[in-house]
Amino acid sequence: EAQVTQNPRYLITVTGKKLTVTCSQNMNHEYMSWYRQDPGLGLRQIYYSMNVEVTDKGDVPEGYKVSRKEKRNFPLILESPSPNQTSLYFCASRLTGGDGNTIYFGEGSWLTVV
Amino acid sequence: GQQVMQIPQYQHVQEGEDFTTYCNSSTTLSNIQWYKQRPGGHPVFLIQLVKSGEVKKQKRLTFQFGEAKKNSSLHITATQTTDVGTYFCAGPHNAGNMLTFGGGTRLMVKP
Repeated sequence: EAQVTQNPRYLITVTGKKLTVTCSQNMNHEYMSWYRQDPGLGLRQIYYSMNVEVTDKGDVPEGYKVSRKEKRNFPLILESPSPNQTSLYFCASRLTGGDGNTIYFGEGSWLTVV
Repeated sequence: GQQVMQIPQYQHVQEGEDFTTYCNSSTTLSNIQWYKQRPGGHPVFLIQLVKSGEVKKQKRLTFQFGEAKKNSSLHITATQTTDVGTYFCAGPHNAGNMLTFGGGTRLMVKP
């Protein structure tokens, strides 16, 4: 079954404690991306990756890091989380080769920073 | 930068009534995509429109892409409780490498 898997699904952490949200896809997609969703703001893109070792900033990259060492994985790293990073995070993937391919989203990760 | 606006933000309808959400982009789009997110769920791709003036139907859902490729609409005929959720439009930018989402329209249906 084609899927994008995120972990953890729910996390409460404290300010400044580094954390990583993992994302893995089994569709051999080149393109992967992270979004955050906040009430009234829709989904905003944090980082994206066109392929292994190729990453780029999205619209709201501050406070986040990513890496793409393998095609299937695209972890999101919060080096020093702050309360304004409390949000619902979605990982997504698709094929490249144009801007029209269906995006598949993971189930989401609820992150609370206290 | 590119902005994508959606109205209304919320809509309550009685089951059986029609529903429409509108999407407007500050820039011309190469395509527009629509997604549905059920409460507590993740966005699910519904459709993509590419051509100017394009109209596509999926059962009770009708999607339109404006002639100028800057606006779009989603119309649901005779809503059902299963239509409940938030509907997002999204347009690509940065050579298609990024996607800008509208703020979404949350649809609530009273049985």
